[in-house]
Amino acid sequence: DTAVSQTPKYLVTQMGNDKSIKCEQNLGHDTMYWYKQDSKKFLKIMFSYNNKELIINETVPNRFSPKSPDKAHLNLHINSLELGDSAVYFCASSQESRVLQFFGPGTRLTVL
Amino acid sequence: GQQLNQSPQSMFIQEGEDVSMNCTSSSIFNTWLWYKQDPGEGPVLLIALYKAGELTSNGRLTAQFGITRKDSFLNISASIPSDVGIYFCAGRPANAGGTSYGKLTFGQGTILTVHP
Repeated sequence: DTAVSQTPKYLVTQMGNDKSIKCEQNLGHDTMYWYKQDSKKFLKIMFSYNNKELIINETVPNRFSPKSPDKAHLNLHINSLELGDSAVYFCASSQESRVLQFFGPGTRLTVL
Repeated sequence: GQQLNQSPQSMFIQEGEDVSMNCTSSSIFNTWLWYKQDPGEGPVLLIALYKAGELTSNGRLTAQFGITRKDSFLNISASIPSDVGIYFCAGRPANAGGTSYGKLTFGQGTILTVHP
């Protein structure tokens, strides 16, 4: 009965590789988000999708591309991984007009 | 962009003590949220505040929406070891609109350590 789930939990990869992180929510929400948490634990929003439409797109390298096949899923694809991409990535969801965002367990990405 | 200043950055307390932390902004917010993050997990919503002066409790936790709408406070009474974690404030600025509507601004977190 997990509300917001992410896979994988851990991802270790080499520089230059392409990788994807998947997110699914079963809360019936229509808005989903991707956040990046750096080594100092600061949470920063990257993207937001509402009903499969991109709503928020912060200043993120275009190597990062979110994809939303339906309202319940928001995946994050990262091309040409760099050392600085190492972080914990969180998916979250909310109902459109509400700020109550519910977070997934996170994916710890380590780029070697 | 918007920034939230959260203090203290860290706290080391004894079990049973009360804890207070706060979050301030340079601009007016119309919603304040408090989250807790356990090690290796995602942030979990603790309390949501929607009106200036609002005081809301969740068990031993109490949070208040400041009268000026530029700050919020979180208190934990009679701390226990499982209170350990990082506490984040988050909020939505009053002037948020359009594509920024769902965008939350987070504080940098307060790391709480509770000694048994």
